[in-house]
Amino acid sequence: EAGVAQSPRYKIIEKRQSVAFWCNPISGHATLYWYQQILGQGPKLLIQFQNNGVVDDSQLPKDRFSAERLKGVDSTLKIQPAKLEDSAVYLCASSYPGQGDYGYTFGSGTRLTVV
Amino acid sequence: DQQVKQNSPSLSVQEGRISILNCDYTNSMFDYFLWYKKYPAEGPTFLISISSIKDKNEDGRFTVFLNKSAKHLSLHIVPSQPGDSAVYFCAASLTNNAGNMLTFGGGTRLMVKP
Repeated sequence: EAGVAQSPRYKIIEKRQSVAFWCNPISGHATLYWYQQILGQGPKLLIQFQNNGVVDDSQLPKDRFSAERLKGVDSTLKIQPAKLEDSAVYLCASSYPGQGDYGYTFGSGTRLTVV
Repeated sequence: DQQVKQNSPSLSVQEGRISILNCDYTNSMFDYFLWYKKYPAEGPTFLISISSIKDKNEDGRFTVFLNKSAKHLSLHIVPSQPGDSAVYFCAASLTNNAGNMLTFGGGTRLMVKP
């Protein structure tokens, strides 16, 4: 089974620029998550999708962050404009609905550096 | 407001001995607890989980213990191996119809010395 694919692996941008990250989940997984991991901290959930609908985006800074999953498969996370504090690894994960005890699969992440 | 905390940023253990990683939480609504392992430049990898209605779950060398009254869980690795050296994250789950939303601790870096 292919894993969760993310691109790019690394991105360096200047503050106030915009950036987008792409995620392709495991085939058949209806639920997709985006997490932000700042250096030295644990991952923090930004948004959860089921198919193409948002389930929870309560921790997404909506003034600058947006995410979509238009066809219920791939997803894009965008930051516009970026701030220095957005420097982090952005992780995508996917799972079947209703899994509680099953640890879902993460991609390798996109490391963003804002200078 | 840190709902999940790992108070030890690092732990060093000799190969063959037991590693014990600890985690505390505050929200009694969490329904599952999970441990993830992370190597550099990779995403977290699921290791083991426990339901909030159980107090122990074992999988090979890995055992997770849950003390609900103390809101505390621990991961035991016996015997520890050099390949276990990684950052370990404790995570607590709130399950909804779509899946589970995880709240992570800050991680503990485990170093197993040969």
